[in-house]
Amino acid sequence: AQSVTQPDIHITVSEGASLELRCNYSYGATPYLFWYVQSPGQGLQLLLKYFSGDTLVQGIKGFEAEFKRSQSSFNLRKPSVHWSDAAEYFCAVGSGFNKFYFGSGTKLNVKP
Amino acid sequence: SQTIHQWPATLVQPVGSPLSLECTVEGTSNPNLYWYRQAAGRGLQLLFYSVGIGQISSEVPQNLSASRPQDRQFILSSKKLLLSDSGFYLCAWSYSGSYEQYFGPGTRLTVT
Repeated sequence: AQSVTQPDIHITVSEGASLELRCNYSYGATPYLFWYVQSPGQGLQLLLKYFSGDTLVQGIKGFEAEFKRSQSSFNLRKPSVHWSDAAEYFCAVGSGFNKFYFGSGTKLNVKP
Repeated sequence: SQTIHQWPATLVQPVGSPLSLECTVEGTSNPNLYWYRQAAGRGLQLLFYSVGIGQISSEVPQNLSASRPQDRQFILSSKKLLLSDSGFYLCAWSYSGSYEQYFGPGTRLTVT
């Protein structure tokens, strides 16, 4: 069965510091992977996606993610965090055209 | 451009009362449509998806139902709400055949 694990429930980083959010997935075939961000009380916004090709994908707001098949991971990174990045981040895997499986999310706090 | 609307934004309902949440998409035709629920502190759970008018697939047996009376309209309903139905309900759409989903602003439902 497909599943997505985000092992970190909460992460706190200082503004200007680098960030890495972890995501591990379980899926039998080539995965379609996504990172979404959710501000409090809001819907989800797509940050980036991986379908195939280059394993390092660039997204909006300066985020990037790297697909590592051998580790079944799709970690999200940002070299320098801004206070406005404080939000909850969700990793998701697409299974068939009509099914998404989301991780439980990682809440990011940014210290001034 | 495409936009997705959900209403109401917030709703407080007593146990045993009916429910109707509406989602509409503008700017595209024949989208795939999805209902998710996000419980407090948890990830997103796919409830229903639809690939066309009158075509509904249920992912999780529950107290809820969905309908798609028009191409770009998706409705989530319940005849009698339970306390456990409280949560944040998100509607999403995707192009037919695409993995990439776009989310609405959500409805906060509190069952008292």
